[in-house]
Amino acid sequence: DVKVTQSSRYLVKRTGEKVFLECVQDMDHENMFWYRQDPGLGLRLIYFSYDVKMKEKGDIPEGYSVSREKKERFSLILESASTNQTSMYLCATLANRASNTGELFFGEGSRLTVL
Amino acid sequence: AQRVTQPEKLLSVFKGAPVELKCNYSYSGSPELFWYVQYSRQRLQLLLRHISRESIKGFTADLNKGETSFHLKKPFAQEEDSAMYYCALQTGANNLFFGTGTRLTVIP
Repeated sequence: DVKVTQSSRYLVKRTGEKVFLECVQDMDHENMFWYRQDPGLGLRLIYFSYDVKMKEKGDIPEGYSVSREKKERFSLILESASTNQTSMYLCATLANRASNTGELFFGEGSRLTVL
Repeated sequence: AQRVTQPEKLLSVFKGAPVELKCNYSYSGSPELFWYVQYSRQRLQLLLRHISRESIKGFTADLNKGETSFHLKKPFAQEEDSAMYYCALQTGANNLFFGTGTRLTVIP
């Protein structure tokens, strides 16, 4: 059973603070994703990674960066948090194309509030 | 450019009534489409995929390439179907695009 674990379920930060959101998976999936989920806007892709040390920008990468130093861990970094980054952040994994069925496996989400 | 449209943000139906959640897509290639569901306090999870032609929890979805649609249907809604539903389009090895979601409420 795939397990995708996000380190923090709820965070409250102040404007300008640096924020780290961590995601760990135990299924040896090559691909990992960070989305933000907002009412009326659905899921929007921030960044994804298809291999260690590789990263690709998604649809809304501004204000974010990521780190993938190990296959199982994908971190989302907000260098200087702003109030418009208040959101639910979802991490997801996907097996490599040869074996994947298109099914993303999601973490439980990290709800970030920036004051 | 690829796009997924879910025209209804909110949908309410009575228990036992049929339900249809609409999804339209825009993509020049061969689409692979999915429905994901998020129940209250649970993580987002796959409900069904078009290539499987399966029925999950009584839900079915047929890909209509002529109308570029992938509507989700269930003949008799149940209270436990109340959830947030997202339609998703896979265009490449690692690219999935999600619609804005439809919140379904089944009224007892």
